[in-house]
This record gives sequence, structure tokens and C-alpha cells, in this order.
Amino acid sequence: EVQVVESGGGLVQPGGSLRLSCAASGFTFSNYRMTWVRQAPGKGLEWVANIMQDGSEKNYVDSVKGRFTISRDNAKNSLNLQMNSLRVEDTAVYYCTREKYGGQLDFWGQGTLVTVSS
Amino acid sequence: AIRMTQSPSSFSASTGDRVTITCRASQGISGHLAWYQQKPGKAPKFLIYAVSTLQSGVPSRFSGSGSGTDFTLTISYLQSEDFATYYCQQYYSYPWTFGQGTKVEIK
Repeated sequence: EVQVVESGGGLVQPGGSLRLSCAASGFTFSNYRMTWVRQAPGKGLEWVANIMQDGSEKNYVDSVKGRFTISRDNAKNSLNLQMNSLRVEDTAVYYCTREKYGGQLDFWGQGTLVTVSS
Repeated sequence: AIRMTQSPSSFSASTGDRVTITCRASQGISGHLAWYQQKPGKAPKFLIYAVSTLQSGVPSRFSGSGSGTDFTLTISYLQSEDFATYYCQQYYSYPWTFGQGTKVEIK
């Protein structure tokens, strides 16, 4: 059974940092691109970043460029999102997702809540 | 960024109804369109990709159509488990973008 499980969310002050992790199982992790999508409270979905199978290419939404870094460890079947210089508007549930094929997000974790507040 | 606009934002329907949700892209996306269903407090579920191809396990009452910039999601016979919010998404160019969502409520 395909599973992706996020962890690392929590409360952080503006300007602070947080590292999210996603543990994948039930599929050959190294064969798939992976993506982070977020959802602010009561709002819609926003694509944040993705990473190619070998980590050679990474893409980000403009609002997080230079602040967030996506990475992966294929040996550990894990995906990470390092978030620096956090802003109040980064408050959201962050979902780890698998890409079935470029952009098609076929499996989603249950999400981890990040709250940026003083 | 490509803007995705869904309509309506919400509506009420009854079990057994045929419902249609529209999604319009601000530019052509060459069929790189997906649909997701989200229930309160849950992660989105992948329904349809490439405009009209159903993901494995998705009931056949769901269908997608469209081309160019205009797309639709149709539920042919609404079931109680279909009351949810639906999102379209383009994956033609970065940043991938979602519509604002359409909430289907019980009448």
C-alpha cells in the first residue's frame, strides 16, 4: 500500500525556521517525482515545490523561492522541506504528494500543520 | 502563472442529480488538467487526469471533458459520498496552479 506520512509541523515565530519531512513506503520512491502542496486555513490548494527523481531539478512557487528548499534522500525514502524566514502567510497544512506523471498528484499524505505566529 | 478559475464557487444539489463544474484556464494548457476531490479535514483525492482519464478506482459516474482553456467535471448521478469540494489543476507549466475550488453541498 502506497503511503506518505508528513511530520515536523508546529508553531514558529515569524522569521523562524522549520523542517518538514515525509516518509514514503509501498512504492519505489526513487522512481517518482515528489511535490509539496499547501492549504491555508479555510483556503484552496497551492503548489509549493517539486523535485525530480534524482534530485537534479527542483521547482518552486515564486512566493517561497530563496526561503524554502526541497530535498530528498532516496536511500531513506524520504522527502524534506526546509523552510526559512517564515512568514505569517506561510501558515498552512503542508501535504507531501507523489507525482504519478509530471504534475499528476496521485497520492497525498494527511498533511502537517505549520503555524507562523508571534 | 496560469490562472485557473472554477465556477460556480459553491452550489447545492440533491442525491441523484447530474452536476457539472467548470474550470477555465487563462491560457491553453494542452490537456494537462487534473481534478481532485477534498472532504473536510481530509487530504485531496486524485480523480481525473489528462482532462478525461479516470484514476484507478474512481467511480464511472465521474467524467471530465474539455479542450483548450475550458474544462468540465461532471458527476452523472450524485451520491451522498460525493458532497465535497472539487479542485481543478493545470500541470502544463510551472508553477502548477489550482482553481479556487467548488463546494458541492447537500440541498
